[in-house]
Amino acid sequence: GQNIDQPTEMTATEGAIVQINCTYQTSGFNGLFWYQQHAGEAPTFLSYNVLDGLEEKGRFSSFLSRSKGYSYLLLKELQMKDSASYLCAVKGYGQNFVFGPGTRLSVLP
Amino acid sequence: ETGVTQTPRHLVMGMTNKKSLKCEQHLGHNAMYWYKQSAKKPLELMFVYNFKEQTENNSVPSRFSPECPNSSHLFLHLHTLQPEDSALYLCASSQRTGGPGANVLTFGAGSRLTVL
Repeated sequence: GQNIDQPTEMTATEGAIVQINCTYQTSGFNGLFWYQQHAGEAPTFLSYNVLDGLEEKGRFSSFLSRSKGYSYLLLKELQMKDSASYLCAVKGYGQNFVFGPGTRLSVLP
Repeated sequence: ETGVTQTPRHLVMGMTNKKSLKCEQHLGHNAMYWYKQSAKKPLELMFVYNFKEQTENNSVPSRFSPECPNSSHLFLHLHTLQPEDSALYLCASSQRTGGPGANVLTFGAGSRLTVL
């Protein structure tokens, strides 16, 4: 079966660092993606991992361990505009992208 | 226009109505998708089209009927819907092959559907 888990909600303070975890069990693996979705808006692509290790893009980094079925998204120097839902998605066979439930992050002043 | 455009942004319909959602992408992508986003549930894949051919149908009820006349346009025809079909319907596109950008989904802003 297909299962992706993320914490439902997280809260952090402006300027801090937050790590959002994602665990997955899917039939087939061809990459793990992170998307950001502000309320009422479309999800937008943040990062992509297909090999184990850390990918860094500015204030955002994403880590993958395929053997553990585990990824995390690390957000540094949090800003108020980072308040959003963060979606973990796994690409399985073909064009099947399976999404997790999303983690709603609230950044407080 | 750039990116992925969806119309209408909001739609209210009765259970006996017939309506359609439209999606258009201006990115030169060759794959298009319909996703359903309900409150407190993960994004659910409904349909995938590659080069106008349907390649995924995720056990979607027949009251939802997709149409892909070309690689830039995607429709979702709706008829005799149920109140539980009320949700945000998101269209996305991707470049299926080639380069690090392949398979990254670009989403439209969505069509918010309410079925009375």
